[in-house]
Amino acid sequence: AQSVTQLDSQVPVFEEAPVELRCNYSSSVSVYLFWYVQYPNQGLQLLLKYLSGSTLVKGINGFEAEFNKSQTSFHLRKPSVHISDTAEYFCAVSPSGGYNKLIFGAGTRLAVHP
Amino acid sequence: ETGVTQTPRHLVMGMTNKKSLKCEQHLGHNAMYWYKQSAKKPLELMFVYSLEERVENNSVPSRFSPECPNSSHLFLHLHTLQPEDSALYLCASSLAGGNTIYFGEGSWLTVV
Repeated sequence: AQSVTQLDSQVPVFEEAPVELRCNYSSSVSVYLFWYVQYPNQGLQLLLKYLSGSTLVKGINGFEAEFNKSQTSFHLRKPSVHISDTAEYFCAVSPSGGYNKLIFGAGTRLAVHP
Repeated sequence: ETGVTQTPRHLVMGMTNKKSLKCEQHLGHNAMYWYKQSAKKPLELMFVYSLEERVENNSVPSRFSPECPNSSHLFLHLHTLQPEDSALYLCASSLAGGNTIYFGEGSWLTVV
């Protein structure tokens, strides 16, 4: 079985500051890793994903994440945030192969202040 | 605009009502999913259909009944719900065996 832990339930940050949202996972099989974003009153939008290859993946809206197998982490980063980045961010894992079965973390609320 | 469309976006129903949530995907996918998002809880996978066959039923109460008539449409039939079933219900789709799931905007359900 897989599980995902998002270490911070809320992250307040000032506009134009860098941010890191932390995600750790556990799994006995190889997995794919994802970050999704949910803006208020909307569904989930895919930010980026790690399937294989380079451990640094770049996504939309200037976000990137780094897969660290030894630390079983997949932290999300952005060097300079905007007010419009205020949203809920979800880390998720899915076993590689077979049909998708995304397991989500509890989410991190990013609040960007002017 | 998303390739996965859910209707209605908002639904209020009494505990004795019968209603349905509808999902349609325009992405050429052949696997569809229902997730439940409650306040203060992680997203929960409810059902998975792959190639129109149900492959996952995550211990969901029988008052929730899914239907997948073809690879583009997915329904969630609701009857005799409880107030604790109030949540955002998210539909999603992917290619069977694919690695990425795409979500709709969700249907907000309130049970009174």
